[in-house]
Amino acid sequence: DAGVTQSPTHLIKTRGQQVTLRCSPKSGHDTVSWYQQALGQGPQFIFQYYEEEERQRGNFPDRFSGHQFPNYSSELNVNALLLGDSALYLCASSWGETQYFGPGTRLLVL
Amino acid sequence: DAKTTQPTSMDCAEGRAANLPCNHSTISGNEYVYWYRQIHSQGPQYIIHGLKNNETNEMASLIITEDRKSSTLILPHATLRDTAVYYCIVRPTMNSGGSNYKLTFGKGTLLTVNP
Repeated sequence: DAGVTQSPTHLIKTRGQQVTLRCSPKSGHDTVSWYQQALGQGPQFIFQYYEEEERQRGNFPDRFSGHQFPNYSSELNVNALLLGDSALYLCASSWGETQYFGPGTRLLVL
Repeated sequence: DAKTTQPTSMDCAEGRAANLPCNHSTISGNEYVYWYRQIHSQGPQYIIHGLKNNETNEMASLIITEDRKSSTLILPHATLRDTAVYYCIVRPTMNSGGSNYKLTFGKGTLLTVNP
């Protein structure tokens, strides 16, 4: 049984560009959450998708947007990248209470 | 969200039990205590969670005090691979009627298991 998978594993972008990160949830899971983890900090909640709708959002600007597909996979889009967007982006999936995390995508903005 | 307080770092000898404390004095009756750990540059790994009773699984045991204001995660026989940052998180249950589904991470405890 595959766990949560994310792609790509690493990504380098320049300021002002746009990026799309992808997440496939664990089999049987219908909910996907996204987190941003800056170096030396704990993960920070970006938003959660359930039934293809954004169910909860953290304190992130509108440059951060997402989507959930009918097969429950999800995308995180970040527009107009800033240097401060450099971080590990984590996807977590769940069915019920417990969230299980993927390995993350490391984004470097130059 | 109820806040948690954890020591910044702890050491443990390999083969010994590691006891990681967490204070959550403002926890409410419908909030779980969750524990995750994160090995360097990997995604957080779920360990265990509990509401009121003590819990045990193949990874660890969770001891919650009777007043629920603190808890201890116990790794019974620590190995070098248990070196990681351990996060204690308090989160409402999904049937509590609210709309807070997120996990709020603090800085966690860096557990170093020494040979």
